[in-house]
Amino acid sequence: AQTVTQSQPEMSVQEAETVTLSCTYDTSESDYYLFWYKQPPSRQMILVIRQEAYKQQNATENRFSVNFQKAAKSFSLKISDSQLGDAAMYFCAYNNAGNMLTFGGGTRLMVKP
Amino acid sequence: GAGVSQTPSNKVTEKGKYVELRCDPISGHTALYWYRQSLGQGPEFLIYFQGTGAADDSGLPNDRFFAVRPEGSVSTLKIQRTERGDSAVYLCASSLNYQGATQYFGPGTRLTVL
Repeated sequence: AQTVTQSQPEMSVQEAETVTLSCTYDTSESDYYLFWYKQPPSRQMILVIRQEAYKQQNATENRFSVNFQKAAKSFSLKISDSQLGDAAMYFCAYNNAGNMLTFGGGTRLMVKP
Repeated sequence: GAGVSQTPSNKVTEKGKYVELRCDPISGHTALYWYRQSLGQGPEFLIYFQGTGAADDSGLPNDRFFAVRPEGSVSTLKIQRTERGDSAVYLCASSLNYQGATQYFGPGTRLTVL
């Protein structure tokens, strides 16, 4: 069974600074997909970024980028120029042919003004 | 367009009662998923529908939990003889039908069993 681990229960960043959230996963598959979701207090999961495992190029979405290391099974999220609205729970998730998402335990990000 | 909607937003019930939670997916999305999120944890998979049929129900914790999607659109998660341990946020997501498709989530239903 696949597992996803987020080793940082909480992280804090100063507004306008950069922060990196860690995620590692365990799988024997070669073809899969990785996601970062943001969950604000409103509860709704919002997609931040998506990465296909067969692509070597790291995905980027405006201020959000990933560092995907397939051999190390690592998928970290970098948030640049942090904003107050970035404060939320962040979940890393894995998806393969089974379609269901396997989530990590989450990292709470606090942004200090 | 409209996103995934879930009703009710909050549900409080007594131990032993029956509850139904509804999910209305994004129009055109044939895949629909239910997840359960306990306090302070990541969501856990319950069941996945492809069209009207349950393609994978391996995450349902026991036979008190059941879900249907009779017309391939709206889905209802049904919980019989609720227990205090069923208290959680129940999230629904939908997606297009291809491997790795992004799942779009609804706002969830917070279920509290007293």
